[in-house]
Amino acid sequence: DVQLVESGGGLVQPGGSLRLSCATSGFTFSNYWMTWVRQAPGKGLEWVANIKQDGSEKSYVDSVKGRFTISRDNAKNSLYLQMNSLRAEDTAVYYCVREIAARHWGQGVLVTVSS
Amino acid sequence: VVMTQSPLSLPVALGQPASISCRSSQSLVDSDGNTYLNWFQQRPGQSPRRLIYKVSNRDSGVPDRFSGSGSGTDFTLKISRVEAEDVGVYYCMQPTLWPPITFGQGTRLEIK
Repeated sequence: DVQLVESGGGLVQPGGSLRLSCATSGFTFSNYWMTWVRQAPGKGLEWVANIKQDGSEKSYVDSVKGRFTISRDNAKNSLYLQMNSLRAEDTAVYYCVREIAARHWGQGVLVTVSS
Repeated sequence: VVMTQSPLSLPVALGQPASISCRSSQSLVDSDGNTYLNWFQQRPGQSPRRLIYKVSNRDSGVPDRFSGSGSGTDFTLKISRVEAEDVGVYYCMQPTLWPPITFGQGTRLEIK
């Protein structure tokens, strides 16, 4: 079975940093684009970033460009999201998602940006 | 690409059909000839789950009462007979013209 398990969320002050991790299993990680999607409390889904199989291509939603960095370690079957200069509007559940077409989703991890 | 869903709230009696519309601001026909439009279900307290990919293909394990149709910029998700477990929010999503990948606002289905 495909499994995606996020970790690293929590409470952080505005301007702070967090690094999210996503441990994967049940599929050949290096064969797939990977994606982060977020959902603010009570709101809809928002695509955050994508990364190609070998890490050579990355894309971001405009609101996080220059602040967030997506990366991956194919040897560890893991996906990451480094989040810097966090703002209150970054408060959300962050989902690790397999593929651009979003076939499989993790359970999500909550990031709360507040003083 | 802006994805616009309607209605945003959908009360439906058990056993009755339901229909959700999703319109895109640009055609979702890719250069490879495929149309990439997906539908997701998010039950209360759960992660989203993909139901339909490339307009009309049901994912494994998805009941056949769910169907997708449409073309170009106009798409529909239909539930032939609503069951209690169908309560939740439904989203369309386009991974054709990106970045950014975009979702519709979501349609909340409730039992009348």
